[in-house]
Amino acid sequence: QVQLVESGGGVVQPGESLRLSCTASGFTFSSYNIHWVRQAPGKGLEWVAIIRYDGTTKYYAESVKGRFIISRDNSKNTVHLQMNSLRAEDTAVYSCANELEQAFYFDWWGQGTLVTVSS
Amino acid sequence: QSALTQPASVSGSPGQSITISCTGTSSDVGGYNFVSWYQQYPGKAPKVMIYDVSERPSGVSIRFSGSKSGNTASLTISGLQAEDEADYYCNSYTSSRTYVFGTGTKVTVL
Repeated sequence: QVQLVESGGGVVQPGESLRLSCTASGFTFSSYNIHWVRQAPGKGLEWVAIIRYDGTTKYYAESVKGRFIISRDNSKNTVHLQMNSLRAEDTAVYSCANELEQAFYFDWWGQGTLVTVSS
Repeated sequence: QSALTQPASVSGSPGQSITISCTGTSSDVGGYNFVSWYQQYPGKAPKVMIYDVSERPSGVSIRFSGSKSGNTASLTISGLQAEDEADYYCNSYTSSRTYVFGTGTKVTVL
């Protein structure tokens, strides 16, 4: 069955960096775009970033542009989110989700990993 | 990119129909037929209920339907059931080639 498993979350101080991973199984990873979506405690969903199936194209939400970098390794069925210059407002559960190329919706989601930015 | 606007809460009695609106701009909802809707239970991952404005994925109840007029998309739940009590979010592709979620709506079954 389809599985997306996030890891790498934790507690960091403002200004520090963290690298999240999303490991996939149960589908043809190299045919799917991967998104990161976050949800602050008690708040709504916020789209963060997308990397296309072949890694050639990446887009980011304005709130993270210039600080976050998304990448993927299709040989390892893994997507990474490098988060730099973290702020308190980046505190959230970060989830990855897949999208069949040109489908424009999020099909399967992981359970997420919690990132807490606090001094 | 500002979040799409949804009502904070909608409620209805079992068997009734409710509609959740999702208002954006011509750069997102109004410009593309790539609006999707997600159901989320507390502590759980979201589940897609509608995609491409009105398409229903396999396995989703026919009680869920979607539509769009101008810059506003809508999700209608007919024959409301207790299990429909959850948070609902709309999402749209945008002219910046990014995506934007709605503010979220809590559905309560009275």
